[in-house]
Amino acid sequence: DADVTQTPRNRITKTGKRIMLECSQTKGHDRMYWYRQDPGLGLRLIYYSFDVKDINKGEISDGYSVSRQAQAKFSLSLESAIPNQTALYFCATSDRQGNYGYTFGSGTRLTVV
Amino acid sequence: DAKTTQPPSMDCAEGRAANLPCNHSTISGNEYVYWYRQIHSQGPQYIIHGLKNNETNEMASLIITEDRKSSTLILPHATLRDTAVYYCIVRGLNTGFQKLVFGTGTRLLVSP
Repeated sequence: DADVTQTPRNRITKTGKRIMLECSQTKGHDRMYWYRQDPGLGLRLIYYSFDVKDINKGEISDGYSVSRQAQAKFSLSLESAIPNQTALYFCATSDRQGNYGYTFGSGTRLTVV
Repeated sequence: DAKTTQPPSMDCAEGRAANLPCNHSTISGNEYVYWYRQIHSQGPQYIIHGLKNNETNEMASLIITEDRKSSTLILPHATLRDTAVYYCIVRGLNTGFQKLVFGTGTRLLVSP
């Protein structure tokens, strides 16, 4: 099993629908992150969590919310999806210092029509 | 975090060494150089990191110049599966907020 598992891998949804992307990890890491990737824009940070009770907005949090259900689970929700949220979404984890890099999931390709 | 500059693309023949350069002239004394790669549409993968000494692991070697203003990632025997975008990132350790800033990277194409 992968260290960081994202579900679903692909999703097509309609404008205005609520959708949740889920992430679970077996690394035992405290810190979890949600990134979004768009062509030509690199990865941008949406939300990050240092532990279950510590959740912070990243650079593009508008239109998104998150829930850290447990140390190992961090979900991203789009309350009312819009077409410009069509992107590739990645969950990542790191240990407290992040000294040995981040571990990323395989991504969720979301299309909002 | 210091900004990095990488060439947009490079080619390499399979079996040859791939040498990917990165300039980070504004790096500060406590900042490390990290390398990640992203194979098409997969999640970025950590490769290696270093402070000032050369580093080697099972994936690659990292050569950092003495003035630390540039570095080179070396894949000693490139394979077709090494075709990916490679990102050079500079960041400090133990910072309160560990944001990774991915630039545009270098697109490495390994050909038969």
